[in-house]
Amino acid sequence: AQSVTQPDIHITVSEGASLELRCNYSYGATPYLFWYVQSPGQGLQLLLKYFSGDTLVQGIKGFEAEFKRSQSSFNLRKPSVHWSDAAEYFCAVGPVSGYSTLTFGKGTMLLVSP
Amino acid sequence: DGGITQSPKYLFRKEGQNVTLSCEQNLNHDAMYWYRQDPGQGLRLIYYSQIVNDFQKGDIAEGYSVSREKKESFPLTVTSAQKNPTAFYLCASSIPGQEMGYTFGSGTRLTVV
Repeated sequence: AQSVTQPDIHITVSEGASLELRCNYSYGATPYLFWYVQSPGQGLQLLLKYFSGDTLVQGIKGFEAEFKRSQSSFNLRKPSVHWSDAAEYFCAVGPVSGYSTLTFGKGTMLLVSP
Repeated sequence: DGGITQSPKYLFRKEGQNVTLSCEQNLNHDAMYWYRQDPGQGLRLIYYSQIVNDFQKGDIAEGYSVSREKKESFPLTVTSAQKNPTAFYLCASSIPGQEMGYTFGSGTRLTVV
């Protein structure tokens, strides 16, 4: 069965500092991988996605993620965090075939300190 | 603009009452999904539908029911059999394949008292 692990429940980063959120997945083959962001009381917004090709993918709001097959990881990064980045971040994995459901990690809450 | 509309934003019900959460999309997406979100639990799949008049149970379907009579609509009923219905409910939709990921609604917070 596929699964997603986000090891960090909370992370606090100073404004202007760099950020890395970890995501590890378990899957039989190379899956589709996604990062979503959720502001309090809102739905999820897609930040970026990986399907194939270049293992470094760029997303919205200055985020990027790197797929490492050998480590089954898809970590999210941002060079300089802004206070508006404070939110909850979810990693998700899905099979590369037709209809199927995504499996989500439990999320990482990002807190940004002044 | 296309999107997914969930209504209402906040919903209060007395224990023992059934309640229906609305989800409407104008994205022409075939597939629709319902997730439940509790603090520290991430998103858990309740039901999903790949096509009109067909739906499948997710991981936590007990105490919930759905219908898919129209492509645009996928209402979720929280029945009195659901033991802990207070939660944040998210609806999503997608096209065939995973290329675009899911588009989410803004959620409904259900509180049962």
